[in-house]
Amino acid sequence: EPEVTQTPSHQVTQMGQEVILRCVPISNHLYFYWYRQILGQKVEFLVSFYNNEISEKSEIFDDQFSVERPDGSNFTLKIRSTKLEDSAMYFCASSEGGDRLVHFGNGTRLTVT
Amino acid sequence: SQKIEQNSEALNIQEGKTATLTCNYTNYSPAYLQWYRQDPGRGPVFLLLIRENEKEKRKERLKVTFDTTLKQSLFHITASQPADSATYLCALDRGYQKVTFGTGTKLQVIP
Repeated sequence: EPEVTQTPSHQVTQMGQEVILRCVPISNHLYFYWYRQILGQKVEFLVSFYNNEISEKSEIFDDQFSVERPDGSNFTLKIRSTKLEDSAMYFCASSEGGDRLVHFGNGTRLTVT
Repeated sequence: SQKIEQNSEALNIQEGKTATLTCNYTNYSPAYLQWYRQDPGRGPVFLLLIRENEKEKRKERLKVTFDTTLKQSLFHITASQPADSATYLCALDRGYQKVTFGTGTKLQVIP
């Protein structure tokens, strides 16, 4: 069964550094998302992306964050100047759209030290 | 403010019994309500979706009800098995591609 893949599975970075989290969504999907989950807390929406542009974003997704679909297969989340509170599991997800069935990857655990 | 509440206490049930999980929401008018399963260290896995004009949905041993008057959804797992042990997440979708999750309820099925 096709799946959303995320790399790396664990990323450690120092405060103030930039990180790029990578995702390969399911190939025929049109909608792409990033969510995050701080340890012990709920899954939080960050951003949705459709037709090569952001369709919706949350208040968490400020100027520190950006997303890109650099080619036909990858979808990336860039976090500039990371802060300690950015430490979380970041999930990429994708969907075809119509059926609203969202497929999640297994996440990248980001640790900011 | 908008709120989605799930029973934060873990739910322990005996194998073979029916597990019932509750999701209540306030200040929301969702177009869809979804249920996901999440295992430790893994991403959420979609289970079922129910639309605002549907009362009930079933899939194998799973059943979801949606009462927009009470602002509540119930999620049932019949004939529960130890493999059903996981955290179950309720999520609301207003139809604009932004899904908002509850905190989840941890289910433990005891053999």
